[in-house]
Amino acid sequence: SSELTQDPAVSVALGQTVRITCQGDSLRSYYASWYQQKPGQAPVLVIYGKNNRPSGIPDRFSGSSSGNTASLTITGAQAEDEADYYCNSRDSSGNLVVFGGGTKLTVL
Amino acid sequence: EVQLVESGGGLVQPGRSLRLSCAASGFTFDDYAMHWVRQAPGKGLEWVSGISWNSGSIGYADSVKGRFTISRDNAKNSLYLQMNSLRAEDTALYYCAKDQDFDWLLFPHDAFDIWGQGTMVTVSS
Repeated sequence: SSELTQDPAVSVALGQTVRITCQGDSLRSYYASWYQQKPGQAPVLVIYGKNNRPSGIPDRFSGSSSGNTASLTITGAQAEDEADYYCNSRDSSGNLVVFGGGTKLTVL
Repeated sequence: EVQLVESGGGLVQPGRSLRLSCAASGFTFDDYAMHWVRQAPGKGLEWVSGISWNSGSIGYADSVKGRFTISRDNAKNSLYLQMNSLRAEDTALYYCAKDQDFDWLLFPHDAFDIWGQGTMVTVSS
């Protein structure tokens, strides 16, 4: 089992806001990064650090963190945002990288 | 164009070995740490191993420690994963990924900004 916990599935109505969370004790000390993965494709980095977006990622994607929980928020979800989303960060020792189990986002 | 291309996957019997390669282009390879991440069919992402720019910091997931060895050749812009004593549970699509920092252990940001398309490893008799 992963040291980072994500809800397996989340849904959002088109154009509405959705928050995807990632929980783990290590998140009290380390930031999470977030990845979007569509079927048959490699993951894409969408958020890293405190709240940074790589070039080309729409500004409807944002990140935040509080206590042991990191969050990815999509403000005004689009049909093309339907995908699996993964967080990653450190394990409790800080010496290994771990991924969350992933959240399947459905846009209704 | 920034690109990572994995190769070396295939069907292998349990207990045998396989060596994966990842060819990098479009960026200064020896400025960045690199990682291997795998994804079993229908499952989530699993970090396998990471290596710093100068091979000074290396780490492995507990599931592969002692069996897999990561290495890099900066002169050839290439990353490698030597996989020994393969098991059925190692069956997965193996991705190489570029870190945003030069030392993954020193800078625990874990932002993997470039990924290859993956190479499939199937361990079966």
